[in-house]
Amino acid sequence: GENVEQHPSTLSVQEGDSAVIKCTYSDSASNYFPWYKQELGKRPQLIIDIRSNVGEKKDQRIAVTLNKTAKHFSLHITETQPEDSAVYFCAATDTGGFKTIFGAGTRLFVKA
Amino acid sequence: GAGVSQSPSNKVTEKGKDVELRCDPISGHTALYWYRQSLGQGLEFLIYFQGNSAPDKSGLPSDRFSAERTGGSVSTLTIQRTQQEDSAVYLCASSKGGSSYEQYFGPGTRLTVT
Repeated sequence: GENVEQHPSTLSVQEGDSAVIKCTYSDSASNYFPWYKQELGKRPQLIIDIRSNVGEKKDQRIAVTLNKTAKHFSLHITETQPEDSAVYFCAATDTGGFKTIFGAGTRLFVKA
Repeated sequence: GAGVSQSPSNKVTEKGKDVELRCDPISGHTALYWYRQSLGQGLEFLIYFQGNSAPDKSGLPSDRFSAERTGGSVSTLTIQRTQQEDSAVYLCASSKGGSSYEQYFGPGTRLTVT
């Protein structure tokens, strides 16, 4: 079955710096890759997603890149702000868009 | 409109008891998902429903876990003979289905088995 690995587990950056979180997946049939942000005690919320027919997607300070050949995808946050501090999860979803396997999460700290 | 709701928000039960967790998806969402999140951990996929059908039950941790969905809406996750290792937050999510994959999560049910 699908396996998603996420690195790093913890990331600390200075406000204004960039943050990069990387994930790899094992099932080449996966075709949808969402990223979720979970603040302490709250539910996960989608921040950006990418489908397998696209290599890059950007939404303001957030971008995601996908390398299907290498089965890698990454989240890039530029000009980080303290409110970006949270746990970020990557995920890979099967062809039907249903079975979703999550990475273990990255705890991001943005220091003011 | 209303988001995904779950009940109860908190449940404390004794080891060996059965529990039922409920999820009300967003109206019109055809797909529904259950996940388990242990303290400080990631989301573990348990099961998904497409309509009332659950094509893949391989994520359920043991035969003590079962889930059903009726009327293409409400879903119930049942854990029989609870064990301490079942303690976690159980999250439900729903999505429109079709070509729309975005999942909207409920607030979760925090289950504590004593």
